[in-house]
Amino acid sequence: GDSVTQMEGPVTLSEEAFLTINCTYTATGYPSLFWYVQYPGEGLQLLLKATKADDKGSNKGFEATYRKETTSFHLEKGSVQVSDSAVYFCAPGRGSQGNLIFGKGTKLSVKP
Amino acid sequence: DVKVTQSSRYLVKRTGEKVFLECVQDMDHENMFWYRQDPGLGLRLIYFSYDVKMKEKGDIPEGYSVSREKKERFSLILESASTNQTSMYLCASRRQGATYYEQYFGPGTRLTVT
Repeated sequence: GDSVTQMEGPVTLSEEAFLTINCTYTATGYPSLFWYVQYPGEGLQLLLKATKADDKGSNKGFEATYRKETTSFHLEKGSVQVSDSAVYFCAPGRGSQGNLIFGKGTKLSVKP
Repeated sequence: DVKVTQSSRYLVKRTGEKVFLECVQDMDHENMFWYRQDPGLGLRLIYFSYDVKMKEKGDIPEGYSVSREKKERFSLILESASTNQTSMYLCASRRQGATYYEQYFGPGTRLTVT
């Protein structure tokens, strides 16, 4: 069945470091792909998305490219800030309704 | 500003009690979802609803039921709460149509069953 594998955390970085969180998935067809972020004490919110192969989603300095050949959607940011400390979830859609499958989440802590 | 609200942020119930978790959205969305979030497991879908009075089982429906009598409200019911249902419960809504529409989440209800 459909599944998603996300880099396990926790990840601890210093401010201004480069961030990569790996995400690969198995799915039927070419689903839309999403990254959600959960800040402490809050619900999830959409960070970025890509709807077809080679699309690049971007928001708040984060980027992820839809790689059909490797079925991957890795999240990157060139220079992280303390305010980026949160849990990040990779979530491909599945089926005709596009309901989401969530990865287990990667907790990021950024130290000043 | 779009909003999904959940009736309680924290809830403590006893084993065997019937528990109602309420979710309300103000965006006129057709689709609504209930997830539970557990450390190391991510989010898992319990039930979803495509429209009023419609419901579909998700990946882990056992021990839960749902009700959707009005478009804006989606209730999750634990018929007889058990300690293994201690978890964070998240509600979400989404506009019907394209599969790239995003889901909007509520702040969550942390339920403890003792």
